[in-house]
Amino acid sequence: QQPVQSPQAVILREGEDAVINCSSSKALYSVHWYRQKHGEAPVFLMILLKGGEQKGHDKISASFNEKKQQSSLYLTASQLSYSGTYFCGTEGSEKLVFGKGTKLTVNP
Amino acid sequence: DGGITQSPKYLFRKEGQNVTLSCEQNLNHDAMYWYRQDPGQGLRLIYYSQIVNDFQKGDIAEGYSVSREKKESFPLTVTSAQKNPTAFYLCASSFARGSYEQYFGPGTRLTVT
Repeated sequence: QQPVQSPQAVILREGEDAVINCSSSKALYSVHWYRQKHGEAPVFLMILLKGGEQKGHDKISASFNEKKQQSSLYLTASQLSYSGTYFCGTEGSEKLVFGKGTKLTVNP
Repeated sequence: DGGITQSPKYLFRKEGQNVTLSCEQNLNHDAMYWYRQDPGQGLRLIYYSQIVNDFQKGDIAEGYSVSREKKESFPLTVTSAQKNPTAFYLCASSFARGSYEQYFGPGTRLTVT
């Protein structure tokens, strides 16, 4: 039931790109993405709805493939502030379920 | 400013004691949630509530209890029946359950020895 995120961790240099994947074994209605910095609360990034378009915010965008029950988060030209753990949350017929997270580290 | 508050930030208890974690929101949200976070485990849902005086168990409700007497408040009690209570606890709220953004509080780190 818990979505699977990959990779578990990624290390980048500032300016590099990254992709974080989230896949579920169940049919999905929506996918949520959050970022959490160490010791802080998760912060909402975006929601992708079934039948909706790819979303983007500044240099962070995401896609949702309903047929494959997968979502991907794209971070382009990464900045130091992008460091943190990224969680996807998948909503199927019931409640939202979060993955275990992907730890992203951006170095100068 | 609207938001969610949790208190205290750090909490220490002896094994065998019940402890209640506070969560208050002034966002006028109907839905509220409690999550437990352990290293490498992500966010696991303990309980959630969609309206006042109603709540449902999440994935790991054993050893926990909640109440929702007011729209703004959703306290979580960690009972002595919870076998491994030491964790980071996060409260969240949303406009309604489902495809709405969840707003998280700052969390309470509970340590039981």
